[in-house]
Amino acid sequence: DGGITQSPKYLFRKEGQNVTLSCEQNLNHDAMYWYRQDPGQGLRLIYYSQIVNDFQKGDIAEGYSVSREKKESFPLTVTSAQKNPTAFYLCASSGPPIFQGTAPNTIYFGEGSWLTVV
Amino acid sequence: QKEVEQDPGPLSVPEGAIVSLNCTYSNSAFQYFMWYRQYSRKGPELLMYTYSSGNKEDGRFTAQVDKSSKYISLFIRDSQPSDSATYLCAMSGAGNNRKLIWGLGTSLAVNP
Repeated sequence: DGGITQSPKYLFRKEGQNVTLSCEQNLNHDAMYWYRQDPGQGLRLIYYSQIVNDFQKGDIAEGYSVSREKKESFPLTVTSAQKNPTAFYLCASSGPPIFQGTAPNTIYFGEGSWLTVV
Repeated sequence: QKEVEQDPGPLSVPEGAIVSLNCTYSNSAFQYFMWYRQYSRKGPELLMYTYSSGNKEDGRFTAQVDKSSKYISLFIRDSQPSDSATYLCAMSGAGNNRKLIWGLGTSLAVNP
C-alpha cells in the first residue's frame, strides 16, 4: 500500500545526543515536510523539501537538520542544539502543486515519531 | 494576532449530538480551506476541503466557508464515539502562495 513510513515510533534520547528520525514515502511525491506538534501549539513546520537535493527552513528550523538525497526519503536529525526536543514529530508529503482548479495540494502524513529526552 | 484562530477545547458532547467546530482567519488571500482529523497518537488525515466560499457535504460532515466573515465551520451530525479526535483546520492561498497555515486543533470527545 502507498503511504508514509516513519521510524522509530518511540525514541528516547539522552541530553547532548543527536538523533535521526526516518521518513520514507512510496507515493512518488516530490514535496516532503517535517512538522513538530506540541500540546497547545498545533503543527509547526521545521523543514520542507520540494525536490531532491533541495530543502528550505520552516518556522522552527533551529537545532534541526535534514537531507534529501532520494525522492523517497527525508530524514530529520534532532541535534543537541535543540533546546526542547521532546515532542511528536510528523513527516508529510504532497504531490505536485495544482495551480488551477478547486482541489488543494493535499498533504499526507505519516504516523508520527515520539521523541523523549531523558 | 495569529493568521488562523481555533479554539482548542476540549469539547465534550453526548452521542447523537450535532457538533460545530470553527476557525477564524485574517488573510483574505486564503482560497483553500481544509479540515484534518487526528486520532490520538496518529498522524492527521484529510477529512474535507472547500475551495473559496460555500458549503460541502460528505455523509454526516458539512464544511462551510464564509469569506466575508473570514469564518469556517465543520458540522458533524449524529456524532458517534468514533468521531472522538482532534480536528485541525488548515488554509492556503492559490498559485505560488500555497503554504499551509494551521489552526491549533479542537479536541472533541463524543460520549456514549
